[in-house]
Amino acid sequence: NAGVTQTPKFQVLKTGQSMTLQCAQDMNHNSMYWYRQDPGMGLRLIYYSASEGTTDKGEVPNGYNVSRLNKREFSLRLESAAPSQTSVYFCASSPARGTDTQYFGPGTRLTVL
Amino acid sequence: QKEVEQNSGPLSVPEGAIASLNCTYSDRVSQSFFWYRQYSGKSPELIMSIYSNGDKEDGRFTAQLNKASQYVSLLIRDSQPSDSATYLCAVNGHNAGNMLTFGGGTRLMVKP
Repeated sequence: NAGVTQTPKFQVLKTGQSMTLQCAQDMNHNSMYWYRQDPGMGLRLIYYSASEGTTDKGEVPNGYNVSRLNKREFSLRLESAAPSQTSVYFCASSPARGTDTQYFGPGTRLTVL
Repeated sequence: QKEVEQNSGPLSVPEGAIASLNCTYSDRVSQSFFWYRQYSGKSPELIMSIYSNGDKEDGRFTAQLNKASQYVSLLIRDSQPSDSATYLCAVNGHNAGNMLTFGGGTRLMVKP
């Protein structure tokens, strides 16, 4: 099992460019999450999908959109990147939302110039 | 006030000592508590979960929960240099969707 995979690993964008971060899991988990991690601030939830076909906003959703393509895949899109979105992005999955253990992907390091 | 608070550290302990990591949370109805370890440049990995008051031991790790004091801690016995990492406390939050809320993490340094 690969667990949770993310692409790309690194990305540099210019302000105003768009991009999609991809995430896939092969553990048959129902719930998937997107977090960003900034120095000293822990992990902050951007969006989550409790089950296939549903998505909801987390703590910091502004500037992002998501798509739960199927049970395995959950993508995060930046429509018009801003320097404030420079961060490390982690995708995670869990059997069910909230109280279950979350398993994290390797992360995407994004820099917006 | 942040919902989940941790001392950012760094916490420095000598090899073989006990490292004590602390976390406080603000939401009294929280039910699930997790400790994740994150090495520099890597993703978080779960090391302990605890759901009821008291102690839970797993090898060199012990998680302690006191819901009355809204306090959860992680003890690492016989600390090794390989334990040097950032430790993240996570609590299931009283928010829509019952999502986890993470603290800012405590950086632990174990000196040989």
